[in-house]
Amino acid sequence: KQEVTQIPAALSVPEGENLVLNCSFTDSAIYNLQWFRQDPGKGLTSLLLIQSSQREQTSGRLNASLDKSSGRSTLYIAASQPGDSATYLCAVKGYNFNKFYFGSGTKLNVKP
Amino acid sequence: GAGVSQSPRYKVTKRGQDVALRCDPISGHVSLYWYRQALGQGPEFLTYFNYEAQQDKSGLPNDRFSAERPEGSISTLTIQRTEQRDSAMYRCASSSPGGLLGSTDTQYFGPGTRLTVL
Repeated sequence: KQEVTQIPAALSVPEGENLVLNCSFTDSAIYNLQWFRQDPGKGLTSLLLIQSSQREQTSGRLNASLDKSSGRSTLYIAASQPGDSATYLCAVKGYNFNKFYFGSGTKLNVKP
Repeated sequence: GAGVSQSPRYKVTKRGQDVALRCDPISGHVSLYWYRQALGQGPEFLTYFNYEAQQDKSGLPNDRFSAERPEGSISTLTIQRTEQRDSAMYRCASSSPGGLLGSTDTQYFGPGTRLTVL
């Protein structure tokens, strides 16, 4: 069974700082990996999806990288803003199953 | 429709009652997923549909849980004889793996149904 781990569980940074969130997975035979943002009391919003053949994806201030061989992905947030405060989750989908396995998330707080 | 909708948003029920949770996916989305999310955890897979076919139900905890999507659109997750341990947020997501909508398997989540079993 695929195990997805996110470290750290919580992170607090001052506004303007660049930061990296980590996601690791145990089975490298993945089809894709997706990063989500979850705001309190709300649903999950997809941020970036990386196919297994890709090494990274970028959207605005966000950059996600994927290293399948080491079972790792990182989400880089540039010039963080208070509005970035949320819980960030990663999810992986394998070739042999259609289900997505989620990590427990990193709760980010960006202080003004 | 704008996005994935779920109803009810909140459901409080007594132990032993049956509940039905509804998910209305984005129009045209082929795939539909049900998840359960405990506080402080990521969503946990329950079941998955492609069109009306239930492709994978390996995440359903026991036979009190069932799901259907009879016409390939709206889906219902039913929990029979609810127990207190069933209390959680139940989330639905839809996606369209390629095709006319051009999506690349991105999942779109609904707001969830908060189930409380007393």
